[in-house]
Amino acid sequence: ETGVTQTPRHLVMGMTNKKSLKCEQHLGHNAMYWYKQSAKKPLELMFVYSLEERVENNSVPSRFSPECPNSSHLFLHLHTLQPEDSALYLCASSQEGSSGNTIYFGEGSWLTVV
Amino acid sequence: QKEVEQNSGPLSVPEGAIASLNCTYSDRGSQSFFWYRQYSGKSPELIMSIYSNGDKEDGRFTAQLNKASQYVSLLIRDSQPSDSATYLCAVWETGRRALTFGSGTRLQVQP
Repeated sequence: ETGVTQTPRHLVMGMTNKKSLKCEQHLGHNAMYWYKQSAKKPLELMFVYSLEERVENNSVPSRFSPECPNSSHLFLHLHTLQPEDSALYLCASSQEGSSGNTIYFGEGSWLTVV
Repeated sequence: QKEVEQNSGPLSVPEGAIASLNCTYSDRGSQSFFWYRQYSGKSPELIMSIYSNGDKEDGRFTAQLNKASQYVSLLIRDSQPSDSATYLCAVWETGRRALTFGSGTRLQVQP
C-alpha cells in the first residue's frame, strides 16, 4: 500500500461518457502529477500541480481536464475519449524542493475506452 | 522535452549474477536521477536516487552517475528471480518541474 490512493482502479467507458479519476495523497506533499502509461511507450507526463497551481499541461488534448482543489486531492475529468486513450493513468506526488524531488506513485487506474 | 534513453531489453541474467542496467540523458543541467522498478500490471516503485557523481549503494543495488558522460547505471548484485521486472530510469527536469522517464529495460533473472 502506498501513500497515494487512486480510484477507481479499473474503468471501462464509452466514447460518449463522462467520468473522473480521483487521487488522494497522504504524504503531506506539495506537488501532484498525472502520468499516462501506454503499452510500449514511456511514461508520459500529462499535468503537474505545485501548491495547487497548474505548472504544465504538456499539450494534452482538452478531453482530459485536471482539477486540484487542494494539495491532497487531484482529479482527472474525462469526456469524449477515444479508444487510443486506453492506458494506465498514474497519479503521483512529491515534496518539491526536498529529497531531490522524489516522486511517489499511486497504484494506477486502468482505463479502457470502448 | 529532454530525452532519457534505455535499452528495452530483455536483459537476461542467471540467478546470482550481476545485472547491469544503463541509461543516458540529454539534459546536461540535470541534477537528480532515479531508478524505479515496475512489475507487470503494477505501478512504478522507487528503488533509489542519486545526485552526485560516483557510486551509491543500497543493499544489493548500486547506482552509478557520471554527469560528464550523461550516464546513469544500476547494478543489481546476486540477482534473484523476484528482481524480474522493468526498470525505469528517470531524470528530474527543472523546467517541467517533473520527472522524465526512459522507456524502461525489462530484466529477466533465470532460476
